[in-house]
Amino acid sequence: RKEVEQDPGPFNVPEGATVAFNCTYSNSASQSFFWYRQDCRKEPKLLMSVYSSGNEDGRFTAQLNRASQYISLLIRDSKLSDSATYLCSMDTGRRALTFGSGTRLQVQP
Amino acid sequence: DTAVSQTPKYLVTQMGNDKSIKCEQNLGHDTMYWYKQDSKKFLKIMFSYNNKELIINETVPNRFSPKSPDKAHLNLHINSLELGDSAVYFCASSQVLDEQYFGPGTRLTVT
Repeated sequence: RKEVEQDPGPFNVPEGATVAFNCTYSNSASQSFFWYRQDCRKEPKLLMSVYSSGNEDGRFTAQLNRASQYISLLIRDSKLSDSATYLCSMDTGRRALTFGSGTRLQVQP
Repeated sequence: DTAVSQTPKYLVTQMGNDKSIKCEQNLGHDTMYWYKQDSKKFLKIMFSYNNKELIINETVPNRFSPKSPDKAHLNLHINSLELGDSAVYFCASSQVLDEQYFGPGTRLTVT
C-alpha cells in the first residue's frame, strides 16, 4: 500500500458545485495533517491544517478520520479560481512531511 | 518580499554536467528542505536541515549533496547529471513541522 493515496482526477465540476476529495494514508503514527494547493507550474501553498475535530475556513472544510486513516477536503460553492491541484500531506514521524500526488480540480463556467 | 527564493528558475544542461541550485529564506525559520517533484507530480522529500544540521537524508544518490552555510541558506549541488534527474526541485522552510513555505521551484531539464 502506498504511503499516501489520492484520486488524481481530474474532477470537472460546474461553478457553484460542492466537491469533495479524500486522501488515505498508511502511517498510523502520523499526527499532523494538511491540505496544500498547487497551481499549474507553481509551488504548493498551504490551504489548511486538518485537526481531529475538523476544520472549516469559509467554503473549505477539512476532516480527519483516524480509524479509517483518511482525510477529506470539501469545497462548497466552487469558484473558477478554485481550479488547481490539491495535495494532502501528513508528518512521517521523522520531522518531515509526506505528500500525495494530488487531485486535480477543474471548475467550469 | 520573497519569503523563500531559489535560483535559477530554469536550468537546462547536458548529461554528465555538475550544477547547483541555491535557496534562501528570510522568514527566520530553523528548518529547510529540498523536495523533488517528478513528471507525475509526486512531491518527494530529499533532505532537511535544522540549524545547519542534516536531519533527513532520504534515499538519494550520492551525486546530490546539500550544503547549508547558515540557517537561511540551503544549496543543492548535483554531480554527473542524468536524464532521470529532470524534475522540478523545490526548496521549503518551516519553523515547526507545520506550515511549510515553498520556493518557486527550479525546473531542471537534462538533455
